[in-house]
Amino acid sequence: QSALTQPASVSGSPGQSITISCTGTSSDVGGYNYVSWYQQHPGKAPKVMIYDVSNRPSGVSNRFSGSKSGNTASLTISGLQAEDEADYYCTSYTSSGTYVFGTGTTVTVL
Amino acid sequence: QVQLQESGPGLVKPSETLSLTCTVSGGSISPYHWGWIRQPPGKGLEWIGYISYGGGTSYNPSLKSRVTISLDTSKIQFSLRLTSVTAADTAVYYCVRVVTGTSNYDCWGQGTLVTVSS
Repeated sequence: QSALTQPASVSGSPGQSITISCTGTSSDVGGYNYVSWYQQHPGKAPKVMIYDVSNRPSGVSNRFSGSKSGNTASLTISGLQAEDEADYYCTSYTSSGTYVFGTGTTVTVL
Repeated sequence: QVQLQESGPGLVKPSETLSLTCTVSGGSISPYHWGWIRQPPGKGLEWIGYISYGGGTSYNPSLKSRVTISLDTSKIQFSLRLTSVTAADTAVYYCVRVVTGTSNYDCWGQGTLVTVSS
């Protein structure tokens, strides 16, 4: 299974909104509403920010939102803050009954 | 508050078997999947596989011939075995909990670095 495609880096100024894309195929992202997003700060374990395309776990800021169109899922961070600077990974369920991660995106707050 | 803790050798010789255990505290085995994810130094996340509370397993096709995940419900622990390791298996290994029927990997261990070297 091939990794989902994410941009290597995305940047924005404090207060702005940014969107990270996660592109797969009809056998993963496009075929199931089982896409989740993880935030990882350096040296730390990942943390779930969005699951099942657009669900936000309790305790996660409502500045984080998720969506999907066709074979591409997206994570939007609105009102960008310094603490949002981290690596972000998407993952999707696949037609083989497995999961596959995205290539990862580094978010920089300018 | 459920917590996961990985344990096992930090150094494994090439061609040998990597074995890790994850201990679950503060929670129950069901209704969750229990899995492993790894991250080579400086690289991205790789899904290894998971086991359901009922014992069913699913593995990354690229690792399937070398991987076994097992569950000890009496001890509330689950384990990873990866055979015939090479330097490419050097990574931080995370154990995770997955809410059944969702893509919510809601709880992660702190991760443990396993280095494959002679």
